[in-house]
Amino acid sequence: AQSVTQLDSQVPVFEEAPVELRCNYSSSVSVYLFWYVQYPNQGLQLLLKYLSGSTLVKGINGFEAEFNKSQTSFHLRKPSVHISDTAEYFCAVSDRKLIFGTGTRLQVFP
Amino acid sequence: KAGVTQTPRYLIKTRGQQVTLSCSPISGHRSVSWYQQTPGQGLQFLFEYFSETQRNKGNFPGRFSGRQFSNSRSEMNVSTLELGDSALYLCASSLDGTGFDEQFFGPGTRLTVL
Repeated sequence: AQSVTQLDSQVPVFEEAPVELRCNYSSSVSVYLFWYVQYPNQGLQLLLKYLSGSTLVKGINGFEAEFNKSQTSFHLRKPSVHISDTAEYFCAVSDRKLIFGTGTRLQVFP
Repeated sequence: KAGVTQTPRYLIKTRGQQVTLSCSPISGHRSVSWYQQTPGQGLQFLFEYFSETQRNKGNFPGRFSGRQFSNSRSEMNVSTLELGDSALYLCASSLDGTGFDEQFFGPGTRLTVL
């Protein structure tokens, strides 16, 4: 069965600093990976996805992620965060349904 | 293009009651999936409907059921509510639910069971 592990439940960071949110996956077959963001009292919004091809995936709001097959990782990065990036971030793998990690709360401080 | 809409946004019920939640997908999307989000269990897949047929089902008891109409709108029903059913229920739609097409999420229905 496929699964994802988000290694950090909370990541505090100051505004304009870089951030990395870590995600490891477990899959024995071709993998489709996603990062979603959830703002308070809202649903999930897709940040980016990896289906195949280039291992560096660029998404919305300046986020990017790198698919690393040997490390079975799909870490999310942003070179400079804003206060508005404060939210919950979910890594997910698709097995016709989305299997989510437990989420990482990114808290950006001024 | 309008997004995924869910009604109602908030719901308060008591134990033993039943509840029906509604989801209208993005126009043209034929796949609708439902997820339960709780602080303890996180985001868990309930079921997926495609062309009025349940195509995939998560590991939830039979009290949780759903259906999809010919216009792709979907409803989910929870009977004999338990305190543990308190959660945010999210609906997501996609073109055909193949696994790699993007799922678009609605704002959710927050169900509180007293």
